[in-house]
Amino acid sequence: AQSVTQLGSHVSVSEGALVLLRCNYSSSVPPYLFWYVQYPNQGLQLLLKYTTGATLVKGINGFEAEFKKSETSFHLTKPSAHMSDAAEYFCAVRTGGGNKLTFGTGTQLKVEL
Amino acid sequence: GAVVSQHPSRVICKSGTSVKIECRSLDFQATTMFWYRQFPKQSLMLMATSNEGSKATYEQGVEKDKFLINHASLTLSTLTVTSAHPEDSSFYICSARDRQRGTTDTQYFGPGTRLTVL
Repeated sequence: AQSVTQLGSHVSVSEGALVLLRCNYSSSVPPYLFWYVQYPNQGLQLLLKYTTGATLVKGINGFEAEFKKSETSFHLTKPSAHMSDAAEYFCAVRTGGGNKLTFGTGTQLKVEL
Repeated sequence: GAVVSQHPSRVICKSGTSVKIECRSLDFQATTMFWYRQFPKQSLMLMATSNEGSKATYEQGVEKDKFLINHASLTLSTLTVTSAHPEDSSFYICSARDRQRGTTDTQYFGPGTRLTVL
């Protein structure tokens, strides 16, 4: 069975600083990996996804993530944080052709002036 | 595009009553919708997969008689929590897969419904 671990339930960065949100997964088969963002009172919005091919994936709002099979990681980064990035971020994994997504517990990102 | 709504956003009910939550895809047709449950500071847990015109597929440990799912049209799925009890209090989130896209890569999520059972 697959699982997702997000290290750090809360991350705080200064505006303009690097954002790094960590995600590690376990899966017995090649995974599809996703990052979602949730703003208050809104649904989850897809930031980016990795399925096959290039391991560095670029998403919306300047975010990117790199799939590292040897480390079973899919960390989310953004070079320069903006106040509007404050939200909750969820990492998720889907294996093979199944419909199911397995989510991490989420990381609340706070951006300070 | 690809907006999913849920109604109500919040509901408080007495123990023993039933509560219906609606999930609608507003600008696309969804052959498949998913229902998740989220406890505070925990992951979203998939409860069931709802396919239009057929019975829902429930995850292990989810009581199908307690959580009734109906997907009667390509834009609407409903989750009814029957004989609700305080332990059913949670945040319920639905998502939908766009029929036109034909892939399971992307699910579009609703804003969630906060259920409180007194």
